Amino acid sequence: DAKTTQPTSMDCAEGRAANLPCNHSTISGNEYVYWYRQIHSQGPQYIIHGLKNNETNEMASLIITEDRKSSTLILPHATLRDTAVYYCIAYYDKVIFGPGTSLSVIP
Amino acid sequence: DTGVSQDPRHKITKRGQNVTFRCDPISEHNRLYWYRQTLGQGPEFLTYFQNEAQLEKSRLLSDRFSAERPKGSFSTLEIQRTEQGDSAMYLCASSLSGHRASPLHFGNGTRLTVT
Repeated sequence: DAKTTQPTSMDCAEGRAANLPCNHSTISGNEYVYWYRQIHSQGPQYIIHGLKNNETNEMASLIITEDRKSSTLILPHATLRDTAVYYCIAYYDKVIFGPGTSLSVIP
Repeated sequence: DTGVSQDPRHKITKRGQNVTFRCDPISEHNRLYWYRQTLGQGPEFLTYFQNEAQLEKSRLLSDRFSAERPKGSFSTLEIQRTEQGDSAMYLCASSLSGHRASPLHFGNGTRLTVT
């Protein structure tokens, strides 16, 4: 499974878009990019995933570069409830978590 | 779909005791995963099953840890002779195999404290 790198922490003003970057330069052709988030004391929550194309759902948008070596998770209008640790994962068979990005949404 | 449930939510035990945790996955999910998480770290992969078969076990996992999924439904994770270093959150997740786009659904974990 490809290794991913993410910034340790980020801040975002409430109501603004939160853009969380992820590098996965060793990703292989059959590995999907997944994003999860974890709010304190809860299990990780699935957000979105993609293979090549950009994806959007009710929670977020996922932008994957053409070479698939990096991606960005976009929370269009961050709220205080979006404060969490966000994990970017490239996986085929099992999910291997890194330390993630701790996002703080500031009032 | 009632989600992934884990029992108990919290467990406090004394060093040297054995503990067992249970995970009930989403009913139609044939893959089941166990993870361990300590404070400030991402979840660490322990093992996973497809139906009743244990497909992979982390090399970092001590022989004191064993997991079963006898009928391909619920799973148990047992830790024998617990040590203080075993204190962590133990997370279970399930998914559909054969569906590369199938995300993992996590329970809210069992928090183990070894005194």
